[in-house]
Order: sequence, then structure tokens, then C-alpha cells
Amino acid sequence: NAGVTQTPKFRVLKTGQSMTLLCAQDMNHEYMYWYRQDPGMGLRLIHYSVGEGTTAKGEVPDGYNVSRLKKQNFLLGLESAAPSQTSVYFCASSRTTRGEYNEQFFGPGTRLTVL
Amino acid sequence: QQQVKQSPQSLIVQKGGISIINCAYENTAFDYFPWYQQFPGKGPALLIAIRPDVSEKKEGRFTISFNKSAKQFSLHIMDSQPGDSATYFCAAIPQAYGQNFVFGPGTRLSVLP
Repeated sequence: NAGVTQTPKFRVLKTGQSMTLLCAQDMNHEYMYWYRQDPGMGLRLIHYSVGEGTTAKGEVPDGYNVSRLKKQNFLLGLESAAPSQTSVYFCASSRTTRGEYNEQFFGPGTRLTVL
Repeated sequence: QQQVKQSPQSLIVQKGGISIINCAYENTAFDYFPWYQQFPGKGPALLIAIRPDVSEKKEGRFTISFNKSAKQFSLHIMDSQPGDSATYFCAAIPQAYGQNFVFGPGTRLSVLP
């Protein structure tokens, strides 16, 4: 089992460029999440999905879009990248959303720099 | 009210010492409190967690202490080892379905050999 994988691992963009980050999980988890991690800010939820074909906004959704066309994949898109989107992006998945059973499994992260 | 505060921001401990990281919350709807450990270049992973009906939970060298009335909880790492050097995030979530985690800002722990 690979768990949660993310591609690419690193990316440098120029302001205004677009890109898509891909997350894949092989644990048959229903729920998937995109977080961004910034120094001193912890992990902040961007968007999440409660199942194939459904997505919802998290704490910091502006400037991002997501899609969940297949259960095992969750895509994060930046349509017009801005320097404020320079961050490390983590994808996670979980079996359930119920409190103590909601163990989140994280991918290795994508380090994105927007110049 | 949704915030989880965490301190210190960074911590340096000698090998064999005790590392203590503190967290506090305001939202009384939170009733499950996990800690995640993140090594450099890796994603976070669940380390240990506690429910508010107990005041302490211990797993090996890692202990969570929970004070419900003060709305505070802390992670204690006994006999800290260089391999414990990582960033630690506390988190909180309600037990109800459909809720999302709120993470603290993280504590970078360095254990000196």
C-alpha cells in the first residue's frame, strides 16, 4: 500500500500561471482533504471532499478549485497563481469524519513557490 | 472561538530530558484531541490522541494530559531522544460527524544529542 501520494513534489510558478496538484489514495477512503502549511500558521484546510463527485470549502478556499472525479483521486487547482499561494500543500484522507475515528493520513506534501 | 493555541513555537531539549508542549482551546464543542508528529520533508502522522472523559493518556514515552475545566491539554515526551526531533501539532475536533480538524500552529522540537 502506497497510502497517500502527491505529485509533483516541488513546483515553481510565475504569477498568473496555473497548475494542478494531484493526490491519490489507495485505502478506499471516502473523505479527502487539501491543506496548506505555512510557518506559524499550522495546517489550514483549503477544500475537502466527502465522496466522489462532492467537494466543499474549508477555511481558506479563495484562489483554489478542486475536483473529485474518482474516489481515489483529489485534484487541487490554482487558476492564476499568486505569491501568497507559496506554501507547502498536503493532501490527506480519512475513513470517516467522526471525531475519534477520523485519523487523517497525510501525503508527503508539495512545495510550491510562486514568483 | 475556532482557534487552537499552541506553545512554545520552538523547543530545544537535551537528550533524556522532558519535552512539554501546551495547547488551549475555546470552543466547548471540541471533544477529541489528537497530536500529529511531522518529520522534516514528510507529512504529519497521528501520534497520540485523547478524549475529554479521561485526564491522561500514555503511550510509551508520550503522555497527553487534559484539563477540561481549563480547556487545556499538553503533550509530554519523557526521556526525549534525537529521533523525536520533529514538528508537533495539536488539534481538536468535535465528535459529531462531518466536522473538520482545527490544528494548532505547531511546535518545532529539537532534541540535542
